[in-house]
Amino acid sequence: AQSVTQLGSHVSVSEGALVLLRCNYSSSVPPYLFWYVQYPNQGLQLLLKYTTGATLVKGINGFEAEFKKSETSFHLTKPSAHMSDAAEYFCAVSPRGSYIPTFGRGTSLIVHP
Amino acid sequence: GAGVSQSPSNKVTEKGKDVELRCDPISGHTALYWYRQSLGQGLEFLIYFQGNSAPDKSGLPSDRFSAERTGGSVSTLTIQRTQQEDSAVYLCASSLVLVLSAAPWTDTQYFGPGTRLTVL
Repeated sequence: AQSVTQLGSHVSVSEGALVLLRCNYSSSVPPYLFWYVQYPNQGLQLLLKYTTGATLVKGINGFEAEFKKSETSFHLTKPSAHMSDAAEYFCAVSPRGSYIPTFGRGTSLIVHP
Repeated sequence: GAGVSQSPSNKVTEKGKDVELRCDPISGHTALYWYRQSLGQGLEFLIYFQGNSAPDKSGLPSDRFSAERTGGSVSTLTIQRTQQEDSAVYLCASSLVLVLSAAPWTDTQYFGPGTRLTVL
């Protein structure tokens, strides 16, 4: 069965520091890969996604992620954290042949001034 | 354009009462999902609708939960005889489903703002 692992339920960084949120998936066939962000009291919204083509994907708010097939990873990064980045981040995979995406448990990003 | 809407935004009910939660998906999206998000937890898949096919109910936690989707658009999630453990945020999402190389893929999901259910 498909699984998605997000390392660290909480990640704490200082404002201006690098943000790195980790996501690993299990799949024999590269799926579609997504990162969603959830701000307090809101639904999830798409940050970025990988389908095919270039493995480095750029998203909104300065975030980017790199698909590494050999590592089955899709880590999310941002060079410089901003206070407004504090939110819950979810990695998700859409397996080929399945209608139901699988979500990771989420990582709460905390940004200190 | 209009996104996914959910109503009510908040619902407080007494244990044992029935509740109905509504979701209006994005027009043209054939796939519709319900998720439950408990405090500090990730997303728990509940049910999936795709076009006119039979729904995938594999995530429903008990027979107190049911859902329907009328006319391939609006969906209602019903919880009967609510329990305190049903307290959570219920999220609805809609998406397009792509068919590539004869296999379906779910594209970006668009989420509603959720309904916060509190069972006293």
